[in-house]
Parts: sequence; C-alpha cells; structure tokens
Amino acid sequence: EVQLVESGGGLVQPGGSLRLSCAASGFTFSSYWMSWVRQAPGKGLEWVANIKQDGSEKYYVDSVKGRFTISRDNAKNSLYLQMNSLRAEDTAVYYCARLGRGDLESYYFDYWGQGTLVTVSS
Amino acid sequence: SSELTQDPAVSVALGQTVRITCQGDSLRSYYASWYQQKPGQAPVLVIYGKNNRPSGIPDRFSGSSSGNTASLTITGAQAEDEADYYCNSRDSSGNPTYVFGTGTKVTVL
Repeated sequence: EVQLVESGGGLVQPGGSLRLSCAASGFTFSSYWMSWVRQAPGKGLEWVANIKQDGSEKYYVDSVKGRFTISRDNAKNSLYLQMNSLRAEDTAVYYCARLGRGDLESYYFDYWGQGTLVTVSS
Repeated sequence: SSELTQDPAVSVALGQTVRITCQGDSLRSYYASWYQQKPGQAPVLVIYGKNNRPSGIPDRFSGSSSGNTASLTITGAQAEDEADYYCNSRDSSGNPTYVFGTGTKVTVL
C-alpha cells in the first residue's frame, strides 16, 4: 500500500524557516518524480515544487523561487521542503504527492499524504 | 504561467448528471487530471489521461477533452459525490511545472 506521511509543520514567525518531511512507503520511491502541493485556508490547491527521480531537476512556482528548496533522499525514501523567509501568505496545508505519468501527455498526482499545516504569524 | 478556469459552484439533483468544465491553454497540449476533495481531507485522483479512472473510483466518473476545455462528468450523482473538484495539467511553458484549476464546489440536492 502506497503511503505518504508528512511532518514538520507548525507555527513560525514571518521571516522564519521550517523544514517539511515526507516519508514514503509501499512503492519504489526512487522511480518517481515527487511534488509538494499546498492549500491556504479556505482556498484552492496550488502546486509548489517538484523534483526528478535522481534529484537532478527541480522546479518551483514563481512565488516560492529563491525561498523554498525541494530535495530528496532516495536511501531514506524521503522528500523534503526547506522553507526560508516565510511570509503570511505561505500559511497553508502542505501536501506531499507522487507524480505519475500515463500514456501520451498525461501527468497526474496519484497519491497524496494527509498534509501538514504551516502557519506563518507573529 | 498557465491558468485553468473552473466554474465556482454547480448543483445537481440526486441521481442526475453534472458536468464540470476546466478551461485553459495548457489543455491543448496536455490532458487534465481531476481531483475530488472533501472537507478536511486530502485530494483524491478521480480521472487522468484521456479518460482513466484509478482503482476504486466508481464508473459514474468520466472525463473528456476538446480544444482548450476538459470536462469531468458525474453520471448518476450520489450524495457522497458532494465535494470540491479541481482540474490540473502540466503547464505549457515547456518545463515540468503544473497548474491547478480554481476549483468547483459540487452540491448534490
């Protein structure tokens, strides 16, 4: 059974830092792109970042470029999101998600964790 | 970056059919995927690719696409289908970045 379990969320002051973790199990972690997706309270989903299987490629939504860093440790089946210079608008539930690929130009997030809440407030 | 636009809310009578649409330029290049999210829960993939359902998703959920518009249809809506639905596709910028739709709240009457 595929499982993704996030941790590391909490309350942080503006300008502070936080590191989220996602522990993966039930599949060959090193074979998949992985992503972070967030959802501000009462708002929609927003893709944040993703990382290639070997960590050689990383992509970010414009609003977090230069502040957030996605990384992975395939030996530990773990995904990370280092968040620096946090702002109030980063307050959200952060989900870890596996990125699947089907036939032709078909991409999708097929498994999600339960999410971890990050609150940026003084 | 690309944008995907959805109607904010739709309602459907129990047992009837409802179609949710998603519009955006990236849909001319990439298939949409669709996610169901109930309050306090993580999103769940319901449709991906041309019209594929993950294991465990009822066959009353189906997907289609034409031009810059993707659609999710629920045929014979059930009370448990009441939820928020989001579309998603890869951005057409060329890089593997992604965009979610604005979301549609489906109410089953």
